[in-house]
Amino acid sequence: QKEVEQDPGPLSVPEGAIVSLNCTYSNSAFQYFMWYRQYSRKGPELLMYTYSSGNKEDGRFTAQVDKSSKYISLFIRDSQPSDSATYLCAMSARRDDKIIFGKGTRLHILP
Amino acid sequence: DTAVSQTPKYLVTQMGNDKSIKCEQNLGHDTMYWYKQDSKKFLKIMFSYNNKELIINETVPNRFSPKSPDKAHLNLHINSLELGDSAVYFCASSPGNQARSSYEQYFGPGTRLTVT
Repeated sequence: QKEVEQDPGPLSVPEGAIVSLNCTYSNSAFQYFMWYRQYSRKGPELLMYTYSSGNKEDGRFTAQVDKSSKYISLFIRDSQPSDSATYLCAMSARRDDKIIFGKGTRLHILP
Repeated sequence: DTAVSQTPKYLVTQMGNDKSIKCEQNLGHDTMYWYKQDSKKFLKIMFSYNNKELIINETVPNRFSPKSPDKAHLNLHINSLELGDSAVYFCASSPGNQARSSYEQYFGPGTRLTVT
């Protein structure tokens, strides 16, 4: 079993819809959970991070972590065509540890 | 000003050649990384340096040798290039001190390496 599993998509949704992106993981030592966004032919950029379990909201984006189920989610409200990108979940066990990335989900927001 | 820059952006070369990729960050960060992203978009860490000291060295062929002349620069030299080395190589940096975690990484634009 891979450490981090993520559906590669592509996921196509109409503009204005709520998008749900998810990852599962197997390593119970993970405590730091991140979402990176990568536009085509660009480097990834950090979107959100969460420490341990719980929710975190930033504008139209909400990150959720359920450590008991080893499941993390990113919700995008009122999705825009500019949200079209690949979203990579990422995790690490310690503050100074290497980050393990998921394979990314390609998201298309249709105008 | 570009925070993390890489040169070259594209690199096309033949099998067996030796090539280098350069990375510079102007963020004042302590830690720098090299990642490889394959054709399936899987992003995997190769190396990490903190203040010029190697701290992460993943299972990477020893044809790959990183070098950090100072904490703002991290270069990657690849000997005897193989077809399987074709990928996008990303440099990244993070504050890396105790106040902030390595999760906050800033990536460069990538170097697209094609080995023919």
